[in-house]
Amino acid sequence: EAGVTQFPSHSVIEKGQTVTLRCDPISGHDNLYWYRRVMGKEIKFLLHFVKESKQDESGMPNNRFLAERTGGTYSTLKVQPAELEDSGVYFCASSQPGQGGYGYTFGSGTRLTVV
Amino acid sequence: AQSVSQHNHHVILSEAASLELGCNYSYGGTVNLFWYVQYPGQHLQLLLKYFSGDPLVKGIKGFEAEFIKSKFSFNLRKPSVQWSDTAEYFCAVNSYNTDKLIFGTGTRLQVFP
Repeated sequence: EAGVTQFPSHSVIEKGQTVTLRCDPISGHDNLYWYRRVMGKEIKFLLHFVKESKQDESGMPNNRFLAERTGGTYSTLKVQPAELEDSGVYFCASSQPGQGGYGYTFGSGTRLTVV
Repeated sequence: AQSVSQHNHHVILSEAASLELGCNYSYGGTVNLFWYVQYPGQHLQLLLKYFSGDPLVKGIKGFEAEFIKSKFSFNLRKPSVQWSDTAEYFCAVNSYNTDKLIFGTGTRLQVFP
């Protein structure tokens, strides 16, 4: 079974630019999650999709972040415009229907550096 | 609000030493507890999890964790570490009725031969 795929693996952009991160979950996994780890801090929840619907977006930092999940398949997370404090590692994870509370499969993350 | 505390930020051990990483959480209700590991250059992997039943949970690679409800703790242990255990370890919790994981800040473990 293919895992959760994220790309790019690294992105370096200038402050004020736009970046789009992509996540391809495991096939059949209705649940898709985005998390972020800022340097040295804990991994923090951003949002949760069930298929194409946002189930919980309580962790989204502000309206510069926009997450979408087209047709309930892959998801994108756009940051526009990027600020220095957006630097960190963005993780995506997925789980089967009804199994989200029992642990997920994570992707390798996208390391975003805003300079 | 729920929170998870990992008291050891960086642990350095020699091979064959015993390991215990502390994890405490703050939440009064029913919780699920997890330890995740991230090896260098790899993705986060589930090491072990506790939902209910026997509070001593066995995971992969010889790891185990003990849930002590009265202490709100879920410490990770391994009797004898190996160089290949060098990684970052994350404790996490979710409440019974949500998928959202609350993570600790992580513990970086370095094992020297």
